[in-house]
Amino acid sequence: QKEVEQNSGPLSVPEGAIASLNCTYSDRGSQSFFWYRQYSGKSPELIMSIYSNGDKEDGRFTAQLNKASQYVSLLIRDSQPSDSATYLCALYPYTGRRALTFGSGTRLQVQP
Amino acid sequence: DAGVTQSPTHLIKTRGQQVTLRCSPKSGHDTVSWYQQALGQGPQFIFQYYEEEERQRGNFPDRFSGHQYPNYSSELNVNALLLGDSALYLCASSWTAINTEAFFGQGTRLTVV
Repeated sequence: QKEVEQNSGPLSVPEGAIASLNCTYSDRGSQSFFWYRQYSGKSPELIMSIYSNGDKEDGRFTAQLNKASQYVSLLIRDSQPSDSATYLCALYPYTGRRALTFGSGTRLQVQP
Repeated sequence: DAGVTQSPTHLIKTRGQQVTLRCSPKSGHDTVSWYQQALGQGPQFIFQYYEEEERQRGNFPDRFSGHQYPNYSSELNVNALLLGDSALYLCASSWTAINTEAFFGQGTRLTVV
């Protein structure tokens, strides 16, 4: 079982819709979770961090964390074509590694 | 405030050669982590440097080595390059406190021919 699992997509949504990106993880002790956006050929850009169960909102982005279900999600409201990118879920494993573990990413396509 | 900077941005090397990639962390950050990202995959952790020491290492062979300088900048060295080493190499900087946010440089695209 992979430490961090994401559906590779592509997830296609129309402009203005809500895009929902999901991530599950195997290490029950993981404490910190992050969403990165990566445009083709570019490096990952941090867009959200979440540490506690529940929702965290930042502009059009909402991160949701459910530690009991080992599930993290990212909602993008009013999706724009410029949101088309790969979204990477990342976490710090409880097992002691101080470096991030990444999923393989979900490719989002926002159709104009 | 300068973010994380990496050099060079692109590099082409021949199989068997050696390469050095460089990274300057974000101001205020003291920890540098290196990742390798193959096409279509998430970044894979290579190693992390803190206080000029390799603090942790991922599942990469000894051909991959690194260094951190007193000013927190870092180098990644890869010896005896293989075709499979072709990838985007990413440097991320963070503050040493556990579970803090990490920020990436623009990456170095290495092509081994």
